Amino acid sequence: ILNVEQSPQSLHVQEGDSTNFTCSFPSSNFYALHWYRWETAKSPEALFVMTLNGDEKKKGRISATLNTKEGYSYLYIKGSQPEDSATYLCAFPPSGNTPLVFGKGTRLSVIA
Amino acid sequence: NAGVMQNPRHLVRRRGQEARLRCSPMKGHSHVYWYRQLPEEGLKFMVYLQKENIIDESGMPKERFSAEFPKEGPSILRIQQVVRGDSAAYFCASSPSGFAGNEQFFGPGTRLTVL
Repeated sequence: ILNVEQSPQSLHVQEGDSTNFTCSFPSSNFYALHWYRWETAKSPEALFVMTLNGDEKKKGRISATLNTKEGYSYLYIKGSQPEDSATYLCAFPPSGNTPLVFGKGTRLSVIA
Repeated sequence: NAGVMQNPRHLVRRRGQEARLRCSPMKGHSHVYWYRQLPEEGLKFMVYLQKENIIDESGMPKERFSAEFPKEGPSILRIQQVVRGDSAAYFCASSPSGFAGNEQFFGPGTRLTVL
């Protein structure tokens, strides 16, 4: 059974703090690793799709790194703001053209 | 360019009734995925369709659930004889191809409540 694990399950930080969380996935037969941001009462929104080992992608204050050999990706948020409060999901396709397997997410709450 | 549309946004059914959930993908997208979020659970894949074809239905229960994506019109997820355990949020996503490196664009979801 293919598992995508995310940790921590939830996180509370103060406004201005930087934070990071982890996504672990099977390291064999890697195709891509997706990060999504999911705000309450909205739909999941893609942040990054990462395909190469050592990839680092950045969007504003959010960045992600990828290690396909050891099977993990980190998501970093620099200077967290209340609007960053959301659940961050990672997802992994078991093969090149199959649907995504999602982790349960990390729920981030940024306190003003 | 309109995003992925789903309707209805909320659906209430009594046990034994049928539920029909609709998904219109983004313009130019021919690949549709249905996911279900049960209470306190993450997103679980149900079925993957390309126009007029079911590509992968391994996540969809064999009984009572069916899906289609006709040549014209939206994709439909149908649940017959609903039970309380079907209460969940159902999301569809679309992409321009089935390639794993393509991001999927999600709709707002349909929240099904079975009384």
